[in-house]
Amino acid sequence: DQQVKQNSPSLSVQEGRISILNCDYTNSMFDYFLWYKKYPAEGPTFLISISSIKDKNEDGRFTVFLNKSAKHLSLHIVPSQPGDSAVYFCAASDNYGQNFVFGPGTRLSVLP
Amino acid sequence: GAGVSQSPRYKVAKRGQDVALRCDPISGHVSLFWYQQALGQGPEFLTYFQNEAQLDKSGLPSDRFFAERPEGSVSTLKIQRTQQEDSAVYLCASSLAPGANYGYTFGSGTRLTVV
Repeated sequence: DQQVKQNSPSLSVQEGRISILNCDYTNSMFDYFLWYKKYPAEGPTFLISISSIKDKNEDGRFTVFLNKSAKHLSLHIVPSQPGDSAVYFCAASDNYGQNFVFGPGTRLSVLP
Repeated sequence: GAGVSQSPRYKVAKRGQDVALRCDPISGHVSLFWYQQALGQGPEFLTYFQNEAQLDKSGLPSDRFFAERPEGSVSTLKIQRTQQEDSAVYLCASSLAPGANYGYTFGSGTRLTVV
């Protein structure tokens, strides 16, 4: 059973608009969450993180929201740019980062 | 080097062959992780080292998988008697210290194809 779910395999957004990528998890012990971006033939690149003591973390165009009661987090990208087109992975840890459980990823396409 | 380096980038192995995958983490990074990523899936945790100590190997799928980091820097993931289900991208990641706030830096991975 998947502990971290990203139910949208793909998402298309117009350049300049907001991209919202969603992630749901089942393990209430998860206490740290990360988002990674992956281009083809490259390793995942760290984007932004949030700990369970917060409900929002912002870094430039990227904001992550955490709703612990719903076991849901989301990544907002505003404004979206064509270079943001990649696969985005949500990852969660229950031991403060000793290892992470990754979701299956969402492929974002930002259309010019 | 500036990043995590993995070699080879691509490996084709015949079923039953042994393979060794190498990871050079960022210099000075204490924590090192191996992940397995099957096609269309997210990375799945295999094992974790803190310096030379293998603190968690709960993700290794069978006793055919073995990882080592004898001097606390370079790590090798060895797969014995490869099977077709071992075909995947094997990702190595390192971080400066234990703890999620340091984040991971991933290498580009080794794509293993077992034929």
